[in-house]
Amino acid sequence: NAGVTQTPKFRVLKTGQSMTLLCAQDMNHEYMYWYRQDPGMGLRLIHYSVGEGTTAKGEVPDGYNVSRLKKQNFLLGLESAAPSQTSVYFCASSRDPGYNEQFFGPGTRLTVL
Amino acid sequence: AQSVTQLDSQVPVFEEAPVELRCNYSSSVSVYLFWYVQYPNQGLQLLLKYLSGSTLVESINGFEAEFNKSQTSFHLRKPSVHISDTAEYFCAVSEGYNTDKLIFGTGTRLQVFP
Repeated sequence: NAGVTQTPKFRVLKTGQSMTLLCAQDMNHEYMYWYRQDPGMGLRLIHYSVGEGTTAKGEVPDGYNVSRLKKQNFLLGLESAAPSQTSVYFCASSRDPGYNEQFFGPGTRLTVL
Repeated sequence: AQSVTQLDSQVPVFEEAPVELRCNYSSSVSVYLFWYVQYPNQGLQLLLKYLSGSTLVESINGFEAEFNKSQTSFHLRKPSVHISDTAEYFCAVSEGYNTDKLIFGTGTRLQVFP
């Protein structure tokens, strides 16, 4: 099993450009999450999904959109990138809320100039 | 609202010395507690967790953490660290069963020197 994979690993954008980050998991997990990690701030939840076709806002959703059209994939979109969105983005998945262990991908380092 | 406080942003220590990474949480209900570890340029991995039962939990690589309800703490300890333990450690909390979100602390960078 590959676990949780993320593409791309690195990306540089100019202000105003758009892009989509792809997260895929092969563990048949229902729950999937997008976090951003910034120095001194730990991980903050952007959006999450409790199942195929559902999404919900996390702590810092502004400027991002998500979609979960297939159970194994969770997409994070930036419609108009801003320098404040420079960060490392992590995707995670979990089997169910009661068990609560989240499995993380390797991260995507995004720089917005 | 829940919150997690990791009091030390960096902990430098020499190899084979003991270490304690502190974690305090605030919550008005029962909680589940977790420690995750992030090695350089990698994602987070679960190190250990407390869900119920014994308040002392252990990981396979020698770390342990003790849930202290009265002090709302879940400190991580290791009696003798190795160079390979150099990483960032995150404490996290969720409010009981059937909740879908973790709240993470800001992390503690453990740097082990030879």
